[in-house]
Amino acid sequence: GENVEQHPSTLSVQEGDSAVIKCTYSDSASNYFPWYKQELGKGPQLIIDIRSNVGEKKDQRIAVTLNKTAKHFSLHITETQPEDSAVYFCAAPAYSGAGSYQLTFGKGTKLSVIP
Amino acid sequence: DTGVSQNPRHKITKRGQNVTFRCDPISEHNRLYWYRQTLGQGPEFLTYFQNEAQLEKSRLLSDRFSAERPKGSFSTLEIQRTEQGDSAMYLCASSLGRVGGEKLFFGSGTQLSVL
Repeated sequence: GENVEQHPSTLSVQEGDSAVIKCTYSDSASNYFPWYKQELGKGPQLIIDIRSNVGEKKDQRIAVTLNKTAKHFSLHITETQPEDSAVYFCAAPAYSGAGSYQLTFGKGTKLSVIP
Repeated sequence: DTGVSQNPRHKITKRGQNVTFRCDPISEHNRLYWYRQTLGQGPEFLTYFQNEAQLEKSRLLSDRFSAERPKGSFSTLEIQRTEQGDSAMYLCASSLGRVGGEKLFFGSGTQLSVL
């Protein structure tokens, strides 16, 4: 099955600086890579996703890059703000062994933005 | 609010008791998923429904767990004879799209504590 590794596990940045979170995956057939943000006491919320036919996607201060050859993808947050503080998860589809692909999540990165 | 709704938000029970959780998905979504999340980990897939049909169950889902989605609307997840190892956040998600390459919308989860 898919193995999704996420680094770092914790990240502290000064407000206004950039933050980068990286993930690697093992299944070369994976073709969809979402990023989720989870705030305390809430469920994960999709913030950006990318499909394998593009190398980069941006949405305001958030961007995701994908390197299919190296099997890694990254989340970039620019001009960080205190409200960006949360746990971020990457994910990739993995063959379940029972005929379908299901999202497999990384272990998460706790981002702290220091005012 | 038209998001995914889960009840209860918190459940404390004694070992050996049965518990049931409810999930109301986004109304036009035909797929519904259950995930489990423990502290410091990403969500792990348990099972999913396409309309009222339960199409797949993870190996994580022991025979003490049962899920239903009557009439393809809300879903329930029941855990019989709870064990301390069942303590976790149980997340429900819904989607409209193909499996593994789609946007999942999560609820806020039910936090289960087994004493």
